[in-house]
Amino acid sequence: KQEVTQIPAALSVPEGENLVLNCSFTDSAIYNLQWFRQDPGKGLTSLLLIQSSQREQTSGRLNASLDKSSGRSTLYIAASQPGDSATYLCAVSRTTDSWGKFQFGAGTQVVVTP
Amino acid sequence: DGGITQSPKYLFRKEGQNVTLSCEQNLNHDAMYWYRQDPGQGLRLIYYSQIVNDFQKGDIAEGYSVSREKKESFPLTVTSAQKNPTAFYLCASSGRTGGETQYFGPGTRLLVL
Repeated sequence: KQEVTQIPAALSVPEGENLVLNCSFTDSAIYNLQWFRQDPGKGLTSLLLIQSSQREQTSGRLNASLDKSSGRSTLYIAASQPGDSATYLCAVSRTTDSWGKFQFGAGTQVVVTP
Repeated sequence: DGGITQSPKYLFRKEGQNVTLSCEQNLNHDAMYWYRQDPGQGLRLIYYSQIVNDFQKGDIAEGYSVSREKKESFPLTVTSAQKNPTAFYLCASSGRTGGETQYFGPGTRLLVL
């Protein structure tokens, strides 16, 4: 069974510093991987989706990389802002049935201090 | 605006009672999903549906039931058989092509009286 781990569980950085969030998974045979942002008491917002054939995706200050062979993905957020404070979740698709069924990590809670 | 709506925002259940959570989408997505989120844990899949009148159990389906009579709607019933229902429930949808971006609703928080 696919297991997804996000370490650390919580992270605090001063404004302007770059954020590096890690996601590891046990089964490298994935269809794709998605990063989400969740604000307290809210639903999830998709940030980036990386297909298994891709090595990275970029959107504005966000960059996500994927290394299937080592079972890792990293989300980089450049020049962090207080508005980036949220929980970031990584989700890995299940290859046996690629109908968007994802296995989620527990998330990394990020606080960006002014 | 296209999106997913969930209602109610908060729901209280008495012991022995069944309650139904609503999920509606206007994104014309074929697939819909229900997840449960507990504090400090990732989301766990309860049920999913790939097409109208068809749905499949996820990892934690016991004590829950669903229906998919319309493409836009995927209600979740939390039955009295679910002994620990207190959680945050999230509904999501995605396009027919497998693995497309998932879009989430705002969630329903279920509390037990």
